[in-house]
Amino acid sequence: QKEVEQNSGPLSVPEGAIASLNCTYSDRGSQSFFWYRQYSGKSPELIMSIYSNGDKEDGRFTAQLNKASQYVSLLIRDSQPSDSATYLCAVNPGDSNYQLIWGAGTKLIIKP
Amino acid sequence: NAGVTQTPKFRILKIGQSMTLQCTQDMNHNYMYWYRQDPGMGLKLIYYSVGAGITDKGEVPNGYNVSRSTTEDFPLRLELAAPSQTSVYFCASRTGGQETQYFGPGTRLLVL
Repeated sequence: QKEVEQNSGPLSVPEGAIASLNCTYSDRGSQSFFWYRQYSGKSPELIMSIYSNGDKEDGRFTAQLNKASQYVSLLIRDSQPSDSATYLCAVNPGDSNYQLIWGAGTKLIIKP
Repeated sequence: NAGVTQTPKFRILKIGQSMTLQCTQDMNHNYMYWYRQDPGMGLKLIYYSVGAGITDKGEVPNGYNVSRSTTEDFPLRLELAAPSQTSVYFCASRTGGQETQYFGPGTRLLVL
């Protein structure tokens, strides 16, 4: 069964520090990788997508992909209290253009 | 442009009752999805649709039905509600060319 694993947390990070969130996936054929942010009581929203090995930066966010080791990570620099949320990792397993496999999410708490 | 809208926001059902969760998108997206999210868990796919008249089962379809008569609407029907269907239900949509899914605000359902 195809799986996406995340540490549920909570991960507590001081304001201004770097938050590092990790995700591993089981299907080696996976092609597309996504990080969604979900505030408490709200719906998920996309913050980063990554398709090839290496780093992808967007403002304070950096997504890192290592297909050989089957992990994808999200770094948040200069963490702000407004970054406190649950971060969901989602993976397109490659055998379907329609579906994503979702991790359970990591709860991030930024302490002022 | 309202995006993805869902009604109702919250509903309490008695065991054995039925209801329809409504989902509408105004972005002309072909793909639409229904997920459920239990506390502390990731998203589980119930049903999805790749266009009007075409639907398919996801990971957890039992106890649910869907229809897609128009591009805009994708209602989810619960027959004979059970306590195990207590959850938050999210509808999402995307275009065929991009994998980003856009979510509605969710419906919180409590079955007692």
